[in-house]
Amino acid sequence: AQSVTQLGSHVSVSEGALVLLRCNYSSSVPPYLFWYVQYPNQGLQLLLKYTTGATLVKGINGFEAEFKKSETSFHLTKPSAHMSDAAEYFCAGAASGGSYIPTFGRGTSLIVHP
Amino acid sequence: DTGVSQDPRHKITKRGQNVTFRCDPISEHNRLYWYRQTLGQGPEFLTYFQNEAQLEKSRLLSDRFSAERPKGSFSTLEIQRTEQGDSAMYLCASSADRGRGTEAFFGQGTRLTVV
Repeated sequence: AQSVTQLGSHVSVSEGALVLLRCNYSSSVPPYLFWYVQYPNQGLQLLLKYTTGATLVKGINGFEAEFKKSETSFHLTKPSAHMSDAAEYFCAGAASGGSYIPTFGRGTSLIVHP
Repeated sequence: DTGVSQDPRHKITKRGQNVTFRCDPISEHNRLYWYRQTLGQGPEFLTYFQNEAQLEKSRLLSDRFSAERPKGSFSTLEIQRTEQGDSAMYLCASSADRGRGTEAFFGQGTRLTVV
């Protein structure tokens, strides 16, 4: 069965510092991978996705993620954190074994200090 | 089109009552998903439709939960005889079936509180 694991339920950074949120997937076949952001009492908004092709994917709000098959990882990064980046971030995967239904990790709460 | 719409945004109900939530997907999307999200957790998949066909419902939490999507348009999720443990955010999402990497678009959710 395909699943994603997010390491660290909370990540705290200072404004202007590098953001790194970790996601690993578990699947015999690499799934399609997504990062979503959720603000309080809101739905999820897509940040970026990996399907095929270039392994470095750029998304909205300055975020990017790199698909590394050898490490079964899809970590999310942003060079310089902004206060408005404080939110909950979810990694998701969709694979053939799961009828391409998005399966989510537990989420990582990003805290940005001034 | 303004995106996925869910109604109501908030629902408070007494234990034992039935509740129904509505989801209007993006109009050209033929896949529709329901998820449940509890505090501090990621969305948990419940069921999905491809047009009007419910293709996966084994993940519905109990036989008190049911979903419909008549005519492949809007969908409803019903919870019968609610319990306090049903308190959660219920999220609806839709996607086009253009390809297997197509992302899901989410509504703002319905927050259910069972008292």
